[in-house]
Amino acid sequence: SAVISQKPSRDICQRGTSLTIQCQVDSQVTMMFWYRQQPGQSLTLIATANQGSEATYESGFVIDKFPISRPNLTFSTLTVSNMSPEDSSIYLCSVEIAGVDTQYFGPGTRLTVL
Amino acid sequence: GDSVTQMEGPVTLSEEAFLTINCTYTATGYPSLFWYVQYPGEGLQLLLKATKADDKGSNKGFEATYRKETTSFHLEKGSVQVSDSAVYFCAAHGYNNNDMRFGAGTRLTVKP
Repeated sequence: SAVISQKPSRDICQRGTSLTIQCQVDSQVTMMFWYRQQPGQSLTLIATANQGSEATYESGFVIDKFPISRPNLTFSTLTVSNMSPEDSSIYLCSVEIAGVDTQYFGPGTRLTVL
Repeated sequence: GDSVTQMEGPVTLSEEAFLTINCTYTATGYPSLFWYVQYPGEGLQLLLKATKADDKGSNKGFEATYRKETTSFHLEKGSVQVSDSAVYFCAAHGYNNNDMRFGAGTRLTVKP
């Protein structure tokens, strides 16, 4: 398995601002993902964070709104840009280790936009 | 495309009751199957998994068996505790690395 940390754990932000969420893993992993979990809902994949190249976004998510960086094999950031109250969610980072088809999740970042 | 359907909640049980949360999947081929648990205010934790037909995953008294013939992976526990109160997610992982599909989640509340 892998130990995953996220910062911040929670934040309350004003409409129109941006927030960058960090995800740190204690070992090198091949795949890193970002999910959104809206209140009372299941998980929706935002994008796959690719090391050294642009992220791969799922339908309905765009780079301008959710820019992602992955400078190395243990770290990634997700920015939620120009926030609105509809962006209030839990944002979860997950990783997948080579040869193990299991995703391990970070503790999540609980975002509230006023 | 691949999808996961799980029993809608919420589910409320008394302590020591038997738990079943149903999960079925549709997929091309044979996905790996998972149950994750989310305790209040926390992220998802892997509870158990099974990677091929007839495999049984088990952990903390929970069990689920990969049933290819019924495309199911139902979660069971013989005697639930108050500390089992959480949201449970069934998930299927297909052949592509980013092809993890989650069910809607089932909220379980166990009362003393």
